[in-house]
Amino acid sequence: EAGVVQSPRYKIIEKKQPVAFWCNPISGHNTLYWYRQNLGQGPELLIRYENEEAVDDSQLPKDRFSAERLKGVDSTLKIQPAELGDSAVYLCASSSPRDAYEQYFGPGTRLTVT
Amino acid sequence: AQKVTQAQTEISVVEKEDVTLDCVYETRDTTYYLFWYKQPPSGELVFLIRRNSFDEQNEISGRYSWNFQKSTSSFNFTITASQVVDSAVYFCALSGTNSGYALNFGKGTSLLVTP
Repeated sequence: EAGVVQSPRYKIIEKKQPVAFWCNPISGHNTLYWYRQNLGQGPELLIRYENEEAVDDSQLPKDRFSAERLKGVDSTLKIQPAELGDSAVYLCASSSPRDAYEQYFGPGTRLTVT
Repeated sequence: AQKVTQAQTEISVVEKEDVTLDCVYETRDTTYYLFWYKQPPSGELVFLIRRNSFDEQNEISGRYSWNFQKSTSSFNFTITASQVVDSAVYFCALSGTNSGYALNFGKGTSLLVTP
């Protein structure tokens, strides 16, 4: 079974530019999470989806960040415009009740904003 | 609110030494899960273990062992006879019903094992 897929793996952009990250969760996993991991820190939740509904986006900086999960499968996280402080690794994870909500992580997208 | 504290920022040991990584947590959930993840230099998060709040039995897996004590809200991780390949950042994490099982991570402990 394929794991969580994320693309791109690396992205370098200039500040004020837009950027988007894509995540394809494990098939059948209805819960999808986006985390951000700053250098030297643990991952922090940005948003959690149950199917296509964002049920927890309290930590998402809504002035510049947006996310969507159309049809409850793939998800896209967007930043517009990017700031220097957005440089981090963006991790996607998915889970399912049948796996007792154990989260499976993708390889992450490393974003560098210059 | 949930909180995970990993007080040890960095640990350096010589190969074959035993090392214990500390984790203390706070939660109001009555049902919760505790995790340990390994993050090697390549960056991926590698799942090591999950314990639920109703199971305080210690667990051993090869050179790894975990000590879960609800009385002290701790979930410590011991590596016996450490090896260079154990060098990585180790994260303790907590999830619960009130957060929809989203993970709250500690800040991580960087372990360096030298030959």
